[in-house]
Amino acid sequence: LAKTTQPISMDSYEGQEVNITCSHNNIATNDYITWYQQFPSQGPRFIIQGYKTKVTNEVASLFIPADRKSSTLSLPRVSLSDTAVYYCLVGDAAAGNKLTFGGGTRVLVKP
Amino acid sequence: NAGVTQTPKFRILKIGQSMTLQCTQDMNHNYMYWYRQDPGMGLKLIYYSVGAGITDKGEVPNGYNVSRSTTEDFPLRLELAAPSQTSVYFCASSFPTGANEKLFFGSGTQLSVL
Repeated sequence: LAKTTQPISMDSYEGQEVNITCSHNNIATNDYITWYQQFPSQGPRFIIQGYKTKVTNEVASLFIPADRKSSTLSLPRVSLSDTAVYYCLVGDAAAGNKLTFGGGTRVLVKP
Repeated sequence: NAGVTQTPKFRILKIGQSMTLQCTQDMNHNYMYWYRQDPGMGLKLIYYSVGAGITDKGEVPNGYNVSRSTTEDFPLRLELAAPSQTSVYFCASSFPTGANEKLFFGSGTQLSVL
């Protein structure tokens, strides 16, 4: 299984850019990298997914270097409502889709 | 679309009691998952299923059982509830294309075992 390592927590201020890096040194060739957001008392919600280079959607950007051993989720101009836990997952289809979550990164956006 | 629906939302059990957490999805997803989340922690995979009639263990299967008789439903059974099973339980489903999976989660069941 491709394990992931993320910072436990990060603080930021409204309007700033938040970058969360996830390490996945043993990522497999066919694995995708997916990020989820979880608010208190809710299930995680899909944010963005990528395989290599850069992916951008209306919520975030995902940067993946050529060796794919890490990835960085970028949240532009955060607001208070972006306070949440962010999880990085690496898909491992060879393990029978046994998708496992790491501890996530708690992002606190301050006014 | 309702997506992934979990019932009940809250439940209190006494030690030794049993219960079934219900999960149903209306997206025709093949893959379904059960996770538990202890306070302040990440999600741990309990069981998963890649299709009707097929289930497999995740990271923390002890004390739980599952079945998958239909594509839509994936109930989680707790036998002989213990305080260590106090947690929030999330059901999820996905329709993966190779390794490119995107999970859809239910709103969770908060379970307390006293």
